[in-house]
Amino acid sequence: GAVVSQHPSRVICKSGTSVKIECRSLDFQATTMFWYRQFPKQSLMLMATSNEGSKATYEQGVEKDKFLINHASLTLSTLTVTSAHPEDSSFYICSARDLSKGGSTEAFFGQGTRLTVV
Amino acid sequence: EDQVTQSPEALRLQEGESSSLNCSYTVSGLRGLFWYRQDPGKGPEFLFTLYSAGEEKEKERLKATLTKKESFLHITAPKPEDSATYLCAVQVYSTLTFGKGTMLLVSP
Repeated sequence: GAVVSQHPSRVICKSGTSVKIECRSLDFQATTMFWYRQFPKQSLMLMATSNEGSKATYEQGVEKDKFLINHASLTLSTLTVTSAHPEDSSFYICSARDLSKGGSTEAFFGQGTRLTVV
Repeated sequence: EDQVTQSPEALRLQEGESSSLNCSYTVSGLRGLFWYRQDPGKGPEFLFTLYSAGEEKEKERLKATLTKKESFLHITAPKPEDSATYLCAVQVYSTLTFGKGTMLLVSP
């Protein structure tokens, strides 16, 4: 399957600082990338849909100014958690859709980023 | 509201003991049902996509089936390396709605 690389895999930051997470599609072009958040023993919760060259679409309840998403190219999307607080500690996962698959709706996922805010 | 419910929440099997995981869904206009495997601390790994009732797909010891209300993931003669959380997701428009998953533990 297609490869999606997410970096970093783990990050610890101080409360009040910002953290950037990168999501790259390595062997395909992704017009659409998705960002999820997952709490222990819970399902993946969609945070936002990121389309290349346009503003991200955020799910209800997700703060746009806190979770900044940029999708500047067909292979890279970034999620920046601004002014992080301990309650932002979670597992963040990105996924991407393979453009070459045409109508296929398969989504491939990155390895995830464990964010801990202290 | 689209809903996806997976059962059981956890399942412990002996190596070689076949079983099935269930994913029931309530959506308007299903475009696809997806099964993923997730290992601890990792992102989900794609397994199958099912598009219409009656469809079946197989991969090694896994077989996924779909009806109009639910999907089953059958595991035949599982091995310890099959231990993971199995996630089910449905697509209605462009996004996926996930269930909470079934945590499978296969003991040698």
